[in-house]
Amino acid sequence: DIQMTQSPSSLSASVGDRVTITCRASQSLINYLNWYQQKPGKAPNLLIYAASSLQSGVPSRFSGSGSGTDFTLTISSLEPEDFATYYCQQSYLTPWTFGQGTKVEIK
Amino acid sequence: QVQLRESGPGLVKPSETLSLTCTVSGGSIGSHYWSWIRQTPGKGLEWIGYIYYTGNTNYNPSLESRVTISLDTSKNHFSLQLTSVTAADTAVYYCARRVRNPGSYDDYFDSWGQGTLVTVSS
Repeated sequence: DIQMTQSPSSLSASVGDRVTITCRASQSLINYLNWYQQKPGKAPNLLIYAASSLQSGVPSRFSGSGSGTDFTLTISSLEPEDFATYYCQQSYLTPWTFGQGTKVEIK
Repeated sequence: QVQLRESGPGLVKPSETLSLTCTVSGGSIGSHYWSWIRQTPGKGLEWIGYIYYTGNTNYNPSLESRVTISLDTSKNHFSLQLTSVTAADTAVYYCARRVRNPGSYDDYFDSWGQGTLVTVSS
């Protein structure tokens, strides 16, 4: 299985901060990497697909970059509704696998 | 906008079979790939498997011996069966639609059900 490692596991930030989350894969994914946001009690919600494509309806403050084994999710200016847990997911090979999550908390 | 909704027992006894159904509304099940994913505090998000509208399936090898995913196009729903459950199968189970665009890197879960908690306990 492809292992997905996110860092950090959690972070504290303030509204307006720029936030960066990293995801590293155990082998090259080319660009088969997706990012999801999950709020408590809710299902994950797709933010970014194919490493850098913004899902329809997702605010432009979210962006993704990277290729191969190293990927980044950036929130350019944190809004109150962005406090949540973020997951990366590889769709290069089955079994598809997820990172362990990064919890973004209010400082 | 397609919507998915899981249904099924919230409590299953050890060694018995977990059965869930995902009803799709706002779109036809007769296209795309349909997946089951579960989430536990300990293991996080775990992909269980998918079924294509043609009936082709692909399962996570870690669960393959116990999993069956099927679909009923007449009812616009698909189902999960997981046999011989143990406490380790206690999780929130999600159904999700996979979107795949051949010739691109687009391969993702774009629609999810709200999730249903299944507890394995006697």
